[in-house]
Amino acid sequence: AQSVTQLGSHVSVSEGALVLLRCNYSSSVPPYLFWYVQYPNQGLQLLLKYTSAATLVKGINGFEAEFKKSETSFHLTKPSAHMSDAAEYFCAVTRTGGGNKLTFGTGTQLKVEL
Amino acid sequence: KAGVTQTPRYLIKTRGQQVTLSCSPISGHRSVSWYQQTPGQGLQFLFEYFSETQRNKGNFPGRFSGRQFSNSRSEMNVSTLELGDSALYLCASSLVQGVNTEAFFGQGTRLTVV
Repeated sequence: AQSVTQLGSHVSVSEGALVLLRCNYSSSVPPYLFWYVQYPNQGLQLLLKYTSAATLVKGINGFEAEFKKSETSFHLTKPSAHMSDAAEYFCAVTRTGGGNKLTFGTGTQLKVEL
Repeated sequence: KAGVTQTPRYLIKTRGQQVTLSCSPISGHRSVSWYQQTPGQGLQFLFEYFSETQRNKGNFPGRFSGRQFSNSRSEMNVSTLELGDSALYLCASSLVQGVNTEAFFGQGTRLTVV
């Protein structure tokens, strides 16, 4: 079975600072990994996905993530935080043959301060 | 192109009642998945339908059921509602079934059981 662990349920950064949201995965087979963002009272929006094509994945809104097999990690980063980045972020995993069944982490609430 | 539409957006039901939620996927999308989101359990997979057939099922009791119609629209039903069923129910649609396809989420139906 696959799972993901997000370290830190709440992260606070200053506007303009680096954003780093951590995600570690557990999978007995090569995983497919995703980062989603959720704004209040909204559904989930895909930021980026790793499907084994490239280890450094660039997504929307300036976010990127690097797949590190040796560390079983897929951390999300953004060089400079903006107030509009304040939201909840979810890491998710699925596997080949898993269809569209996503297993989500517990989420990280990102707060951006002036 | 219209996104994933979930109706109703908000719903209040009494314990013991049943409820039906609706999801209209993006035009042309054939896979529909359902998720339950609660503060305590996070995002949990309910089931996935593709071409009117249930392809995957999560660990939920039989009170939770779903179906998909020939036009890919999907409904989920919860019978004998319990207080713990209060949650945001999210529907996601994908073009086909498979890990390389992006799942587009609706805004969800907020169900409150009193």
